[in-house]
Amino acid sequence: GESVGLHLPTLSVQEGDNSIINCAYSNSASDYFIWYKQESGKGPQFIIDIRSNMDKRQGQRVTVLLNKTVKHLSLQIAATQPGDSAVYFCAENLPSGGYNKLIFGAGTRLAVHP
Amino acid sequence: DTGVSQDPRHKITKRGQNVTFRCDPISEHNRLYWYRQTLGQGPEFLTYFQNEAQLEKSRLLSDRFSAERPKGSFSTLEIQRTEQGDSAMYLCASSLGGVGETQYFGPGTRLLVL
Repeated sequence: GESVGLHLPTLSVQEGDNSIINCAYSNSASDYFIWYKQESGKGPQFIIDIRSNMDKRQGQRVTVLLNKTVKHLSLQIAATQPGDSAVYFCAENLPSGGYNKLIFGAGTRLAVHP
Repeated sequence: DTGVSQDPRHKITKRGQNVTFRCDPISEHNRLYWYRQTLGQGPEFLTYFQNEAQLEKSRLLSDRFSAERPKGSFSTLEIQRTEQGDSAMYLCASSLGGVGETQYFGPGTRLLVL
């Protein structure tokens, strides 16, 4: 399949290590943030979300941290596995005229080496 | 599979031809979104439906683009007189709506205009 994100920043990690992917967002009015994983040739897959009134949320092997002061979001993946290799996008949800407008960041490619 | 589906998955066409893509959302989702994604970028919002009503269109959606959701279920995106710059991945997402809604994406339709 085609390659998503040919010129994206890449984070290379060893299998079993922890990964941290960072994202800066733009709008102070954004009320909800989502991390998506996108494998080559596929659509974005929901990983975890966090509301703006929280600063941390944990899922299975993943943790999202939100720092509204500096408009920064991070995704931590514990014990990274080869199946985690993909492009990761953060998205901010900006309420806009009664609907929710998702604004995506540039993406980071995660490469997991055995 | 009860996720979002899109058809076709790939489309190659000649410049000037018309193309139509279909999206079937998750059955109970009343909101449907179309996005466009080019290589190395995150998805960009194109348009949004609440049931059968098209409530928002991006400036990216030129008059050659039209989208419909006639019965509030599936949606079609048509591009008339395609140009090489239309080559991209077209993604559909659906959601239940409400605060903190999660948009779930389909696999996308990859369009190549020759």
